[in-house]
Amino acid sequence: KNEVEQSPQNLTAQEGEFITINCSYSVGISALHWLQQHPGGGIVSLFMLSSGKKKHGRLIATINIQEKHSSLHITASHPRDSAVYICAVRSKGLAGNQFYFGTGTSLTVIP
Amino acid sequence: NAGVTQTPKFRILKIGQSMTLQCAQDMNHNYMYWYRQDPGMGLKLIYYSVGAGITDKGEVPNGYNVSRSTTEDFPLRLELAAPSQTSVYFCASSYPPSGTLAYNSPLHFGNGTRLTVT
Repeated sequence: KNEVEQSPQNLTAQEGEFITINCSYSVGISALHWLQQHPGGGIVSLFMLSSGKKKHGRLIATINIQEKHSSLHITASHPRDSAVYICAVRSKGLAGNQFYFGTGTSLTVIP
Repeated sequence: NAGVTQTPKFRILKIGQSMTLQCAQDMNHNYMYWYRQDPGMGLKLIYYSVGAGITDKGEVPNGYNVSRSTTEDFPLRLELAAPSQTSVYFCASSYPPSGTLAYNSPLHFGNGTRLTVT
């Protein structure tokens, strides 16, 4: 069983739709990260959060520590949002240097 | 400020050949990582380093070696390439966890190296 599970694996949406990607994890964490990987491969960090909610433009990330669950929402989706979204958690521990990654959610937004 | 720079972007190797994937960061990050990404799988940790002169194995270290002689550079060496090492490789870096921001340091990724071994 993976330490980080994402759903759905694939998602197709019409432009303008509200999108939700879910992430559940099974380890104790210090922080949860949402990453975006565009075609062409580069990975960028969207959010890092350890509690509550964060918002950048049309993107919103929430985390429920008790339920070990996080969601990434995209409001008014646009074709340029098409990418793979990866959930990652940084584990607690003496070194705190271990990240666990979900397998990613591939999002396609159709004009 | 270039961030994390990886070279090369693409490489084709024959079985048994050797190569070094280069990674450099200019953010003075102590922590550096090498991951591989295979289709349908999450990123897997190959090796990591918490500072110059200190390296340790990750989840999938077999067939790879690393060194960290400076804070900036963290090269990954493949000694005898095998088809199982066909993958996309990512280098990443972060600040170490510290103080009230313990463990809350974002990961910065390079653009990846697509390696094919035939």
